[in-house]
Amino acid sequence: EAGVAQSPRYKIIEKRQSVAFWCNPISGHATLYWYQQILGQGPKLLIQFQNNGVVDDSQLPKDRFSAERLKGVDSTLKIQPAKLEDSAVYLCASSLVGSSGGQETQYFGPGTRLLVL
Amino acid sequence: GENVEQHPSTLSVQEGDSAVIKCTYSDSASNYFPWYKQELGKRPQLIIDIRSNVGEKKDQRIAVTLNKTAKHFSLHITETQPEDSAVYFCAASIGGYSTLTFGKGTMLLVSP
Repeated sequence: EAGVAQSPRYKIIEKRQSVAFWCNPISGHATLYWYQQILGQGPKLLIQFQNNGVVDDSQLPKDRFSAERLKGVDSTLKIQPAKLEDSAVYLCASSLVGSSGGQETQYFGPGTRLLVL
Repeated sequence: GENVEQHPSTLSVQEGDSAVIKCTYSDSASNYFPWYKQELGKRPQLIIDIRSNVGEKKDQRIAVTLNKTAKHFSLHITETQPEDSAVYFCAASIGGYSTLTFGKGTMLLVSP
């Protein structure tokens, strides 16, 4: 089966500019996650969608970051305006619906490497 | 919220040796513990996971052990090979719709 797709793979922008990332999850995966991975650290969850509803966005800097998943499939993550500290890899992941007791495996996309100058 | 500590941050071994990476977690409700391998410039990939109803799980040269009382779990790689060189991340979750909390990663270097 096809994996999680992301685009673009690389992006270089200047601070205060805007940028958007796109993610297409594995077919049939209802849950979609956006993570920020700063160099030398583990992925940090930004937002989690269940179909087109937000499950967890507690760590999303809402003054500059936004995300949507309008039709419950593809998702976009936007940063406006970008800051230097936003330089990171943005990973999208998807999983089947988590059951009431079990956690489903998360499959990651290749990521978008963002550099803010 | 959940906090996951991972040690060591770097680990160098000779080919054929064993490698052990340890993680501790803070939330006693956590019941799902995956391990991901991330090669340079590539996506994290699940290599093994364990749920709280078992204490150990093996898959060829890889094993994970879980001690729920002490709230720690470990990854064991035997007969290491150069292609095992990568960053390994542990994570914890309370399951269902809850999110994964990742450790900071361990860079494993296997020298021929």
